[in-house]
Amino acid sequence: DARVTQTPRDKVTEMGQEVTMRCQPILGHNTVFWYRQTMMQGLELLAYFRNRAPLDDSGMPKDRFSAEMPDATLATLKIQPSEPRDSAVYFCASGLGGGSPYGYTFGSGTRLTVV
Amino acid sequence: GNSVTQMEGPVTLSEEAFLTINCTYTATGYPSLFWYVQYPGEGLQLLLKATKADDKGSNKGFEATYRKETTSFHLEKGSVQVSDSAVYFCALFPYSGAGSYQLTFGKGTKLSVIP
Repeated sequence: DARVTQTPRDKVTEMGQEVTMRCQPILGHNTVFWYRQTMMQGLELLAYFRNRAPLDDSGMPKDRFSAEMPDATLATLKIQPSEPRDSAVYFCASGLGGGSPYGYTFGSGTRLTVV
Repeated sequence: GNSVTQMEGPVTLSEEAFLTINCTYTATGYPSLFWYVQYPGEGLQLLLKATKADDKGSNKGFEATYRKETTSFHLEKGSVQVSDSAVYFCALFPYSGAGSYQLTFGKGTKLSVIP
């Protein structure tokens, strides 16, 4: 089965450090999402791309978060500087978009702990 | 805007019990509807989908019927197993003319099945 690959799987970092999370979408998928999941807020959409262009990043704190797709096989989410409130599981998902998608495929997530 | 409302959890059932998780939605036009499942420590997986009114999605013994008249997509299973313990998310994808490619998720319902 084709998979969305996220690295690292787990990350523990100190407050103030830069964190970069990576996602390899399924080959051929042209829509990529970043979600954050916490117990309190549930699933929050941070940003998404279509054909590598950012379509919506309104869910992202702009002062510290940035999301990019340097090429079709890599999406990155960066936090600088990181804060304890950023501790969460970050999921990447990819799909074909379009009018009625056949679901989006999620990666296994990056569990971020900021101490 | 679009929204999805799921029944509050957690839901605890005995093995072989009947499961219903309610989901209602608000959207314009004819959205596509999905159920995703998240097992502990994993990402979300597509469980089933329905793309038009009266469609029934089914997978692994789970079923859900797209009811336009009641704007609902309730998840059901006739006999749950311990292995069904997970968090279930109802989701909506807007109709093709909406110009959006993002899924709107409900807050999730945690199901625990005890032997």
